[in-house]
Amino acid sequence: GAVVSQHPSRVICKSGTSVKIECRSLDFQATTMFWYRQFPKQSLMLMATSNEGSKATYEQGVEKDKFLINHASLTLSTLTVTSAHPEDSSFYICSARGVSTDTQYFGPGTRLTVL
Amino acid sequence: GQSLEQPSEVTAVEGAIVQINCTYQTSGFYGLSWYQQHDGGAPTFLSYNGLDGLEETGRFSSFLSRSDSYGYLLLQELQMKDSASYFCAVRDTGGFKTIFGAGTRLFVKA
Repeated sequence: GAVVSQHPSRVICKSGTSVKIECRSLDFQATTMFWYRQFPKQSLMLMATSNEGSKATYEQGVEKDKFLINHASLTLSTLTVTSAHPEDSSFYICSARGVSTDTQYFGPGTRLTVL
Repeated sequence: GQSLEQPSEVTAVEGAIVQINCTYQTSGFYGLSWYQQHDGGAPTFLSYNGLDGLEETGRFSSFLSRSDSYGYLLLQELQMKDSASYFCAVRDTGGFKTIFGAGTRLFVKA
């Protein structure tokens, strides 16, 4: 099956710093990547959708200047949490979908803790 | 807009069969998917129904009725390792993004 990796798996940072999370599709070309955040015991909330080479589409209520998304290639998308605050602490999960599939393949997630 | 409803919790015993229902309201529909997520892990894809009927994959089956905007996930021969959260999800109007339900926490007891 298709494999999606995320790096780092866990990060702790100080308030006010920026954190970059990478999402890679390892064995397929991901025309579309999705970024979700998930709070404990809650559902996945879609933050944004990115297509390779174009600007990301953000969901309502998600600050695009705070959560910077770049989808520079068909195998890599990055999410940068700028000026992180404790309320940004969450589990961030990316997923990728290829050209000819209806299935989204999820990365293992990144647990962000902002002190 | 889109909304999905599923029970928040289900408890069953090992070896039993459990059904997790999902009803949805969407302005467009491109299929119902089911995902499993263990605590601390990422969701893993279980099944997809694009057309009405039953899809079977091992111990797991999924059913869809588009006329009723309803589907379910059926888990047979429950094992302790099946204790997890299960999410139903639908593709949106453009078939572009996936919207998840709130999830059903399944507890399997010995």
